[in-house]
Amino acid sequence: GQQLNQSPQSMFIQEGEDVSMNCTSSSIFNTWLWYKQDPGEGPVLLIALYKAGELTSNGRLTAQFGITRKDSFLNISASIPSDVGIYFCAGQSAPGTYKYIFGTGTRLKVLA
Amino acid sequence: GAVVSQHPSWVICKSGTSVKIECRSLDFQATTMFWYRQFPKQSLMLMATSNEGSKATYEQGVEKDKFLINHASLTLSTLTVTSAHPEDSSFYICSARPQGSTQYFGPGTRLTVL
Repeated sequence: GQQLNQSPQSMFIQEGEDVSMNCTSSSIFNTWLWYKQDPGEGPVLLIALYKAGELTSNGRLTAQFGITRKDSFLNISASIPSDVGIYFCAGQSAPGTYKYIFGTGTRLKVLA
Repeated sequence: GAVVSQHPSWVICKSGTSVKIECRSLDFQATTMFWYRQFPKQSLMLMATSNEGSKATYEQGVEKDKFLINHASLTLSTLTVTSAHPEDSSFYICSARPQGSTQYFGPGTRLTVL
């Protein structure tokens, strides 16, 4: 079935550094979303992307919907300790179903 | 806006008993709600799609007789884990979708079956 692979799986970075992570698929998606999940909590939506090539920012976060519709990346600039958590991409492939497939996750740890 | 709640936030039960988890959209109506399961250090796996007033659609490999879903109103969906066993221990997360929008997730329910 469809699968979304995220890389890196985990990363340690210094506070203030920029972070980049991506999500790839063998299938085409019509919508890409990026979520952050803190331990013991549900995912919180960061950015939603609806068109191939779209580049969208939300504060220090920037995400892009790949031209091929098979990938997306998320950048975090000037990381801070509260950026710690697990970042998931999610894709919606079938229009009208609104079903999401979640990626494998990138675990981010920020060193103060 | 777009707040989703779940109750309980955690539950411990004995093997063989049934557990009901509620998912509510607090400030919007949701024609569709989704139920996910997340095992430790893993991703969210969609279990079923719940539409108000109709039967839920289950993903491949999810036993519909074990995981009963009821979506009786536009703001409430329930998931009942019947005859729970230790392997059902997991983090169950629901989401709700306002018309024409993305999914908003609840805080999750941690189920531990002894």
